[in-house]
Amino acid sequence: DSGVTQTPKHLITATGQRVTLRCSPRSGDLSVYWYQQSLDQGLQFLIQYYNGEERAKGNILERFSAQQFPDLHSELNLSSLELGDSALYFCASSVGPSGGDNEQFFGPGTRLTVL
Amino acid sequence: GDSVTQMEGPVTLSEEAFLTINCTYTATGYPSLFWYVQYPGEGLQLLLKATKADDKGSNKGFEATYRKETTSFHLEKGSVQVSDSAVYFCALSVYTGANSKLTFGKGITLSVRP
Repeated sequence: DSGVTQTPKHLITATGQRVTLRCSPRSGDLSVYWYQQSLDQGLQFLIQYYNGEERAKGNILERFSAQQFPDLHSELNLSSLELGDSALYFCASSVGPSGGDNEQFFGPGTRLTVL
Repeated sequence: GDSVTQMEGPVTLSEEAFLTINCTYTATGYPSLFWYVQYPGEGLQLLLKATKADDKGSNKGFEATYRKETTSFHLEKGSVQVSDSAVYFCALSVYTGANSKLTFGKGITLSVRP
């Protein structure tokens, strides 16, 4: 158990809908990262927050947004869902924003299925 | 941009066989290199890392050496076990001082048969 929790574990929804994925980082970690794992794209970095502030953006679609709250949990919002958004979404956390020893700890993931 | 290339899979080995999984990278800066492992139904776990050239990362019998001259970080294990069956990802991170995003390879599935 990494200490990173993600809810829900599974989510099944229809095209055009909107969903929210939730992540709670390890105690003491200030950085949160979101990654998408799909069969065709592999594992891709979406976005990083550090202490409530956006630090880096990757291949995140405009239909997707995220935020980190004062209690450090984070939410990833996916809207106008398409079939191709079906994937496993991982959250990770780390103590700091950067650095060679800034190990990222991954949650178990949320599996999103868009029908 | 940054990228990681892993050898094509899947790989199937017999128990106690020698394992090599190739990984090469391109990076805009000076990266740190990682191997992550994903067991069935679980999230990713850091297996080992190396933060500078010629460093050797090791854990659970796995080893990888950061080779700057060949831009490689190949994973090796002398004797695999059935419990090593998992998906292995090579990854890098170039530290800018501002963030720590990881760039992953496509991953390779390892199956070890008794």
